[in-house]
Amino acid sequence: KAGVTQTPRYLIKTRGQQVTLSCSPISGHRSVSWYQQTPGQGLQFLFEYFSETQRNKGNFPGRFSGRQFSNSRSEMNVSTLELGDSALYLCASSSDGSPSGELFFGEGSRLTVL
Amino acid sequence: GQSLEQPSEVTAVEGAIVQINCTYQTSGFYGLSWYQQHDGGAPTFLSYNALDGLEETGRFSSFLSRSDSYGYLLLQELQMKDSASYFCAVRANNNDMRFGAGTRLTVKP
Repeated sequence: KAGVTQTPRYLIKTRGQQVTLSCSPISGHRSVSWYQQTPGQGLQFLFEYFSETQRNKGNFPGRFSGRQFSNSRSEMNVSTLELGDSALYLCASSSDGSPSGELFFGEGSRLTVL
Repeated sequence: GQSLEQPSEVTAVEGAIVQINCTYQTSGFYGLSWYQQHDGGAPTFLSYNALDGLEETGRFSSFLSRSDSYGYLLLQELQMKDSASYFCAVRANNNDMRFGAGTRLTVKP
């Protein structure tokens, strides 16, 4: 069974540009969450999608957006990039039927903003 | 709001026992999870506690006290490969998972 796949793995952008990151969850998982990870800040929750609907949203500006498709694949977009957006963006999927809500993470997309 | 507090760093020697504490404050609570992340890797699930008490999985155990909003991860017989960051996470009543800032464990020979 394939794991969570994130693309691209690495990318470099300049301030003011926008970026789109993609996440393919484990087959059968309908919930996809996105996290931003920076040194010392842990994993900051961005948003969660379930069956194409945004179910929860973290405290990030409107420049951060996402969506989920009917096949559960998800994308997140960051517009008007700022230097502080440099981070590892992690996607996680879950079956949503598990009592523990266990999350399965991808390897992440490392974004560098110059 | 929600907040989770855990130590930023812990150092121990091979074969020792180490405890990583986590205190949390959330609006609603379903359970406390622990994840491990090696440098350059993805976080992986270690354990989950929904009820008070100790859950044991091999060398790792996790404890929860709901009345104290406190939990810990206990790692026994430490090995070099246990050097990693450990995150506690809370599943709150809006069903999303919020993580602490992480504890970097360094195991020395």
